[in-house]
Amino acid sequence: DAKTTQPPSMDCAEGRAANLPCNHSTISGNEYVYWYRQIHSQGPQYIIHGLKNNETNEMASLIITEDRKSSTLILPHATLRDTAVYYCIVRVGEAAGNKLTFGGGTRVLVKP
Amino acid sequence: GAVVSQHPSRVICKSGTSVKIECRSLDFQATTMFWYRQFPKQSLMLMATSNEGSKATYEQGVEKDKFLINHASLTLSTLTVTSAHPEDSSFYICSARALGRDTIYFGEGSWLTVV
Repeated sequence: DAKTTQPPSMDCAEGRAANLPCNHSTISGNEYVYWYRQIHSQGPQYIIHGLKNNETNEMASLIITEDRKSSTLILPHATLRDTAVYYCIVRVGEAAGNKLTFGGGTRVLVKP
Repeated sequence: GAVVSQHPSRVICKSGTSVKIECRSLDFQATTMFWYRQFPKQSLMLMATSNEGSKATYEQGVEKDKFLINHASLTLSTLTVTSAHPEDSSFYICSARALGRDTIYFGEGSWLTVV
């Protein structure tokens, strides 16, 4: 499995963009980068995923570097409800059953 | 998005008894379901992967006879914690992968307290 490295915590201001970095320097060519978040006492919520192109949806944008060794999740206008633990995960390939292996994540606190 | 539902959301059981947690995919067929456990202030730990109609694959260190997993249909998987002990108290979360899709969706989680 390609491992990911994320800062353990970060604060951001309500209404501002939140940029969450993730390093995955050992990622393989066929592995996707997935982002999930977990609000306290709930199951993880899917945010976005990508292979090599930048992606955007109603929740966030995902920027993947050209060498695919790192990525950034962007929450364009953070709200208090975005306070959560954000997990960057590289998905294991088909042979391993597509399982998601969680690391420590980044604990994001959005402040008023 | 796809919906995965777990039941019960909270359960308290006596030490030595067994408890079953259900995981259902409500609006899609799930070829593969995953069960995780999460202790307070820790990350999710994968316990096992189950495919419909076949035996579950357990992660190293997870006792298959203690955590029985049944994936009887494309929309239902169950986790039974047998002979529960207080140290089994945890947040149990299931997830499911839709047939033909890459994304995995998670249930709301089930809190188990063994007294």
